[in-house]
Amino acid sequence: DADVTQTPRNRITKTGKRIMLECSQTKGHDRMYWYRQDPGLGLRLIYYSFDVKDINKGEISDGYSVSRQAQAKFSLSLESAIPNQTALYFCATSETGVEQYFGPGTRLTVT
Amino acid sequence: RKEVEQDPGPFNVPEGATVAFNCTYSNSASQSFFWYRQDCRKEPKLLMSVYSSGNEDGRFTAQLNRASQYISLLIRDSKLSDSATYLCVARFRSNDYKLSFGAGTTVTVRA
Repeated sequence: DADVTQTPRNRITKTGKRIMLECSQTKGHDRMYWYRQDPGLGLRLIYYSFDVKDINKGEISDGYSVSRQAQAKFSLSLESAIPNQTALYFCATSETGVEQYFGPGTRLTVT
Repeated sequence: RKEVEQDPGPFNVPEGATVAFNCTYSNSASQSFFWYRQDCRKEPKLLMSVYSSGNEDGRFTAQLNRASQYISLLIRDSKLSDSATYLCVARFRSNDYKLSFGAGTTVTVRA
């Protein structure tokens, strides 16, 4: 079984809809991250969490929110999806912040 | 200006060839550097860390030039399985040690 899982793997939604992307990990890491990847831009950090009570904004947090429900679970929400949030979203975990382990990604399309 | 910049390629090389490419970084408050590998539509995975003195891992050699603020990756005796996008990653003190990802360099090895 994969150490980092993401659901759903693919999602098509309409502008204005609320969407939640979920991430679970079995690695026992405290640090968890949400990134989005766009062609030509690389991975950009949306939010990160160093433990259950710690939530921090990344470089592109506007339009997103997160919830760290447990050490193993970190969810990303788009309160009102817009087309420029169409992207590939990755969750990652890390023990020290140096090596990060990524989930398989969620491909989100907002029409 | 992006913190980490890469030539997107693609670098198309025959099997057995040597291919090398660079990555530049703009933040001199650098801490550490890494190369991640990302296969098409898959999650990024750590390939190797980059040490100041340069380091090898099998057919892969990474170099760091702090004076000119670039790192390099060289792949010897290329295999078909080396076809991937290689992400240059930096970790800076000035941004709380978060990882900054380049957009990636695509390498295609042909038979």
